Amino acid sequence: DQQVKQNSPSLSVQEGRISILNCDYTNSMFDYFLWYKKYPAEGPTFLISISSIKDKNEDGRFTVFLNKSAKHLSLHIVPSQPGDSAVYFCAASLGNTDKLIFGTGTRLQVFP
Amino acid sequence: DSGVTQTPKHLITATGQRVTLRCSPRSGDLSVYWYQQSLDQGLQFLIQYYNGEERAKGNILERFSAQQFPDLHSELNLSSLELGDSALYFCASSVGPYGSTDTQYFGPGTRLTVL
Repeated sequence: DQQVKQNSPSLSVQEGRISILNCDYTNSMFDYFLWYKKYPAEGPTFLISISSIKDKNEDGRFTVFLNKSAKHLSLHIVPSQPGDSAVYFCAASLGNTDKLIFGTGTRLQVFP
Repeated sequence: DSGVTQTPKHLITATGQRVTLRCSPRSGDLSVYWYQQSLDQGLQFLIQYYNGEERAKGNILERFSAQQFPDLHSELNLSSLELGDSALYFCASSVGPYGSTDTQYFGPGTRLTVL
């Protein structure tokens, strides 16, 4: 049972435009959400996170939005750059377990 | 470079065999986490150690075991290997014990191929 789902395996965006990566979850008890970025032949790198008590968190070009009623999480990258081309994983956790549950990832390609 | 090292980078072995994957955390980090990423799957949490003690357990098979040594490096032992164990195995580390709110730094992974 996949508790964290990234239904789009890939996304292609032009440089300078907005990239929107989506993530859905099924467990309403999740209280912390994270995004990781992964380049080929490297491990994932932490990007940004959000607590369930917030609905938005911003860090430079990256903004994460949380819609608890819809159990939906999204990552906005504005403006998109070629160096953003990578696989993006969303992850969620239950506070009392501290385990991260990852989605299957979305491959973002930013073209010139 | 995350500061987390994993050896070996690649490992090819046969079914029924046993292998050991090694992880050295970032300097100062007390937690080590192990994840498995199979083809087209997300990262599956296996197990976490904090300062030498097991802290959290995920969907780790009984054929798999891990430990964290006094110098804080960790080893993941996989035995009676099956074809389905072929995957990327990542190690991550963090300063504190909280897997969600403490930033986890990932190593480059070990690619295991079971033939």
